[in-house]
Amino acid sequence: DAGITQSPRHKVTETGTPVTLRCHQTENHRYMYWYRQDPGHGLRLIHYSYGVKDTDKGEVSDGYSVSRSKTEDFLLTLESATSSQTSVYFCAISPGPPTGELFFGEGSRLTVL
Amino acid sequence: DQQVKQNSPSLSVQEGRISILNCDYTNSMFDYFLWYKKYPAEGPTFLISISSIKDKNEDGRFTVFLNKTATHLSLHIVPSQPGDSAVYFCAASGNTGNQFYFGTGTSLTVIP
Repeated sequence: DAGITQSPRHKVTETGTPVTLRCHQTENHRYMYWYRQDPGHGLRLIHYSYGVKDTDKGEVSDGYSVSRSKTEDFLLTLESATSSQTSVYFCAISPGPPTGELFFGEGSRLTVL
Repeated sequence: DQQVKQNSPSLSVQEGRISILNCDYTNSMFDYFLWYKKYPAEGPTFLISISSIKDKNEDGRFTVFLNKTATHLSLHIVPSQPGDSAVYFCAASGNTGNQFYFGTGTSLTVIP
């Protein structure tokens, strides 16, 4: 299994509070991603990173920011959580082209009340 | 707008029979396609992939077929086993950047 650790695994918070989810990898892969999974929507890309301090937006980036100061860590921040951000969040890593496979973490379940 | 679509939310198959999961895509620039399997409370795990230069890739009981003309791919599982019961996601990526787009998933139930 790819060495990916997400923390926290479960979090309950209130509307308007900031939340940070952490993804840590031990594989030294260049690419890191944050997805959210919601019923009827599958997996949707929030943000991704293609190197230290290099990030880009995905399909559903509004309300989220990311940072990557080290190869192994990719942080997802909800500046002011809303109930629509209640979801399961998955971090993924990839060595990049040409192999291209994504390896996923176990997921972080976030509930915003 | 969904660029990768899985129009069947669920599928039930008898053990030993063939399971066929379908996926359609709208972006002709996609050149790499993958299937992932997901059990409850776990992250998705990679199953099989195919490059756009091929039309078939086989790995044990799993075969992926790609029809570029129809912008359609399918996953065949033969023979189906109860342990194959999971949600299956198809995904696609293009040659610009390394973004992966996922479908909404198909929940497969293999009945013993």
